[in-house]
Amino acid sequence: GESVGLHLPTLSVQEGDNSIINCAYSNSASDYFIWYKQESGKGPQFIIDIRSNMDKRQGQRVTVLLNKTVKHLSLQIAATQPGDSAVYFCAENITPGNQFYFGTGTSLTVIP
Amino acid sequence: GAVVSQHPSRVICKSGTSVKIECRSLDFQATTMFWYRQFPKQSLMLMATSNEGSKATYEQGVEKDKFLINHASLTLSTLTVTSAHPEDSSFYICSASLLAAQETQYFGPGTRLLVL
Repeated sequence: GESVGLHLPTLSVQEGDNSIINCAYSNSASDYFIWYKQESGKGPQFIIDIRSNMDKRQGQRVTVLLNKTVKHLSLQIAATQPGDSAVYFCAENITPGNQFYFGTGTSLTVIP
Repeated sequence: GAVVSQHPSRVICKSGTSVKIECRSLDFQATTMFWYRQFPKQSLMLMATSNEGSKATYEQGVEKDKFLINHASLTLSTLTVTSAHPEDSSFYICSASLLAAQETQYFGPGTRLLVL
């Protein structure tokens, strides 16, 4: 499968600060991306997605930025809370296929 | 909506035995389901794509005779780990898509397999 990697395997932030999690993908043909959150012992939970015709998408407290030029994806979490502590994965997809390939993950720890 | 369940949540078995894991979409029909494996502190690795009524598509390096997948209905896919060995111990996660292509996947809670 395609290679999707992350720059930072671990990230610690103070409660209330903003978090930025990065992801680099290798396949320039990828055109759909999803960020997932995974808590220990559980399945991944959808956070936000973005298609390649966009460079920014906002959700509730989260923003995803896509830079196709450098094949880079980031997830920004505003006012990080202890409940945000988890491992975050980006996943990429190439139309028209429906397979997603996951990056290595970043473990986010929020310090109260 | 879009709830996916897995059964069992945990299973311990002896080496050489086979284990079946079920993945169900509870409130929607899924023409496509996916099976992933995740080792501790690692990412999810796609094993295979399960299509209702047809043979599964396996990723490179995944043994189809070792990991048998059956997708008999629009709400159920099963993964059978045959002749399990300790190295098969892992967290197995399934997901399901609402549409056939490029739609958000909804993940099950995972099944923890321990092979003694």
